[in-house]
Amino acid sequence: DIQMTQSPASLSASLGETVTIECLASEDIYSNLAWYQQKPGKSPQLLIYYANSLNDGVPSRFSGSGSGTQYSLKINSLQSEDVSIYFCQQNYDSPWTFGGGTKLELK
Amino acid sequence: EVQLVETGGGLVQPGRSLKLSCVASGFTFNNYWMSWTRQAPGKGLEWVASITNSGGSTYYPDSVKGRFTISRDNAQNTLYLQMNSLRSEDTATYYCTRVGIRAHYFDYWGQGVMVTVSS
Repeated sequence: DIQMTQSPASLSASLGETVTIECLASEDIYSNLAWYQQKPGKSPQLLIYYANSLNDGVPSRFSGSGSGTQYSLKINSLQSEDVSIYFCQQNYDSPWTFGGGTKLELK
Repeated sequence: EVQLVETGGGLVQPGRSLKLSCVASGFTFNNYWMSWTRQAPGKGLEWVASITNSGGSTYYPDSVKGRFTISRDNAQNTLYLQMNSLRSEDTATYYCTRVGIRAHYFDYWGQGVMVTVSS
């Protein structure tokens, strides 16, 4: 199975700040990576697929990058509504696996 | 608007069975693979099962293989998850998820249904 390791596990940032979350795969997943946002008490929502493709309706302050085994999610100009848990997921090979999540809070 | 509405959750004793349903609307159901994904309380996400758009093939992780069965009724736009031999570690919120048309990410999620396995 492909292991997905996210860092940091939690993060505190100020409004307007830029935040970066990392995701490391245990083997090359050839950019088959998605990012999800889960707001408190809600279902996850797809943010990014194919490592850097923004899902419809997702604000442009979100961006994804990476290749091989290393990927990142960047949030520019942090807004209060971005307080969430963020998960990465590899969709290169079954079983499709998720990272452990990064909890983003406001400082 | 895509909607996925799950039902069938509840409290069940270890070793017993439970069947979840998910009614889909707002898209052409038989064009898409579908999946179930779960989240234990306060924990991360775990993919549980997937089924092809025709229902001809199914996929499971080892943690549920042989105990869970995913199925679908394309005439009724409904996805199912039959869960047998339930264990305490199956306690979670179960989400019905649509699989992306180009790759196995999950582009729409239901509101989730809670399954608690306890005596």
